[in-house]
Amino acid sequence: AQKITQTQPGMFVQEKEAVTLDCTYDTSDQSYGLFWYKQPSSGEMIFLIYQGSYDEQNATEGRYSLNFQKARKSANLVISASQLGDSAMYFCAMITGANNLFFGTGTRLTVIP
Amino acid sequence: KAGVTQTPRYLIKTRGQQVTLSCSPISGHRSVSWYQQTPGQGLQFLFEYFSETQRNKGNFPGRFSGRQFSNSRSEMNVSTLELGDSALYLCASSLAAALGTDTQYFGPGTRLTVL
Repeated sequence: AQKITQTQPGMFVQEKEAVTLDCTYDTSDQSYGLFWYKQPSSGEMIFLIYQGSYDEQNATEGRYSLNFQKARKSANLVISASQLGDSAMYFCAMITGANNLFFGTGTRLTVIP
Repeated sequence: KAGVTQTPRYLIKTRGQQVTLSCSPISGHRSVSWYQQTPGQGLQFLFEYFSETQRNKGNFPGRFSGRQFSNSRSEMNVSTLELGDSALYLCASSLAAALGTDTQYFGPGTRLTVL
């Protein structure tokens, strides 16, 4: 069975600082994908970054990077130079052979001016 | 390119009624997935449609059903509504070029309230 664990219900970060959101996963599949989505209060899920299980390099997308440690089964999201607009819920998710996403419980990030 | 659109954005229904939600995927995307988001259960997968066929289904009762049309647009239906069906229903589309790697792009969601 697939499982995603996000142990930080809430996080605070000072504007312009970096923050790491934790995510661990569990799957017996060899091929899988890991995603991070951002959900503002409006409700829409916004795709941030993707990491494939066979990708050797950590994924980066602008201010977002994914710290992928396969042996530890972790896929932490790093946001550099936080902005006020980064305040939102952040979800880690995994996809395996079937085309459906398994989500974690989310982390609420608050950026402090 | 236009994103995923969902209609309506908000719905209020009463117990026992039925409801139909609509989702238009990103142009060229052939897979449409539906998710339910509640405070108690979080985000849960409902079903996925690809080329008008249900390809994958989550653990929801038969009151929840869906379909996909030839233009990839999808509808989700919930019959005999219960209070616990109150949720944000999210639709996502993807190219489905390769299972297990596809990025799913989400619509704004339909917020359903059952009274």
